[in-house]
Amino acid sequence: ELKVEQNPLFLSMQEGKNYTIYCNYSTTSDRLYWYRQDPGKSLESLFVLLSNGAVKQEGRLMASLDTKARLSTLHITAAVHDLSATYFCAVDKSATNKLIFGTGTLLAVQP
Amino acid sequence: DADVTQTPRNRITKTGKRIMLECSQTKGHDRMYWYRQDPGLGLQLIYYSFDVKDINKGEISDGYSVSRQAQAKFSLSLESAIPNQTALYFCATSAAGSSYNEQFFGPGTRLTVL
Repeated sequence: ELKVEQNPLFLSMQEGKNYTIYCNYSTTSDRLYWYRQDPGKSLESLFVLLSNGAVKQEGRLMASLDTKARLSTLHITAAVHDLSATYFCAVDKSATNKLIFGTGTLLAVQP
Repeated sequence: DADVTQTPRNRITKTGKRIMLECSQTKGHDRMYWYRQDPGLGLQLIYYSFDVKDINKGEISDGYSVSRQAQAKFSLSLESAIPNQTALYFCATSAAGSSYNEQFFGPGTRLTVL
């Protein structure tokens, strides 16, 4: 059974600091996704990572994928308050197009 | 803009009532999904459909049923609602044949069962 674990579950950080959110998954997968969710809102797609060593960056967020370690990271550089949200990783279960989600990381960026 | 819409956005109902949540999309995608989100948890897949004649159970299908009325419409029904079905429900779509299989989510329906 594919399991996806994120840590930390909650992250409080100060503006200007750097931090990393980790996403571990239990079995082989072809694709990994990062989504952002604002309170009471829908999920917004941030990154799609398709292969080992893939790295994508958008603004202050950078995502990477290590398929051998079954690990993806979402790195936040010089955090700003607008990045406060819940971040989910999701894994495509053996290319079946069914996503298995992690429990999410609630990020609170304090001024 | 091509979009995914859900109706209603909020619903309060009583135990034992039948409820239908509707999802429509103008993205032209073949694949549609229903997810449930509970507070502090990730999303769990309820049902999914890869085309009009294809319906598949997800992780937590018990107590739910679905109907794919057309390529653009996918409805979720709770035949006899119970309080632990109180949750936020999301519909999503994706394009068949896409190497990314990126899923696009609707705004969600907040369902409360009393």
